[in-house]
Amino acid sequence: TQLLEQSPQFLSIQEGENLTVYCNSSSVFSSLQWYRQEPGEGPVLLVTVVTGGEVKKLKRLTFQFGDARKDSSLHITAAQPGDTGLYLCAGAEGGATNKLIFGTGTLLAVQP
Amino acid sequence: DSGVTQTPKHLITATGQRVTLRCSPRSGDLSVYWYQQSLDQGLQFLIQYYNGEERAKGNILERFSAQQFPDLHSELNLSSLELGDSALYFCASSVRSGGYGIQYFGAGTRLSVL
Repeated sequence: TQLLEQSPQFLSIQEGENLTVYCNSSSVFSSLQWYRQEPGEGPVLLVTVVTGGEVKKLKRLTFQFGDARKDSSLHITAAQPGDTGLYLCAGAEGGATNKLIFGTGTLLAVQP
Repeated sequence: DSGVTQTPKHLITATGQRVTLRCSPRSGDLSVYWYQQSLDQGLQFLIQYYNGEERAKGNILERFSAQQFPDLHSELNLSSLELGDSALYFCASSVRSGGYGIQYFGAGTRLSVL
C-alpha cells in the first residue's frame, strides 16, 4: 500500500512567519501535486511537480520535488491569514490512470 | 468554482439504507474520479471512470458501486449503509485518464448515516 506521510499534522503560526510542510513516501510517483482545502470545499490544486529535483514558485509558496521523486516540500514565506487551510500532497501513479494517493494532510492556522 | 457539480450537498440517512450521489464533470472532461474523505482515513481514492468505462479501482467496498453515463455524468451508489460510511464524498474530473492530467474537484457531498 502506498502511503504519503505529511508533517507536521497541525501548525499554528503568527502572520509573517515562515513555514515548511513535508510530504514523504517510500514509493516513487510519476508526479506529485499539492492541494489546499478549505472547510466545506473540495481540494484546489496549487501545483504539480513532475521532475526529480524540480522547484516551483507560486508567489510566496515554493514547492520542491525530491530527486528520487518520493518526497516533496512546501515552503510558505511570510504567511498570511488567507493561507489558513488544509494542505494535502498527492502522488500520481501515472500510466493509464491518474488516480491520486493523498497524504495525511497538514492543517495550517495563521493568526493575524 | 471548479466546474464540477455534485448533488446533493448534504445527505442524512439511516443505517441499512441506500443512497445515490451524483456528479457532473467539467465540460469536455472524460474522466471522473470518486474519493472518500473521513477523519480517520483521510482522502482515499475509490474508483475512476473514463468515457463510460471503469479505469481504476481503489479502496471501494463491495456495497458501493458507480457508473458513468453516456452524457459523462457519474453516480456513486452506496447501499446497506453503516455508521462508518459517514464521510465527505468528492468527485473530480479531468480531460484524460493518464499522464499529468489535472483533476478538478467538486464541493463534495457530506453523508451522515444515523
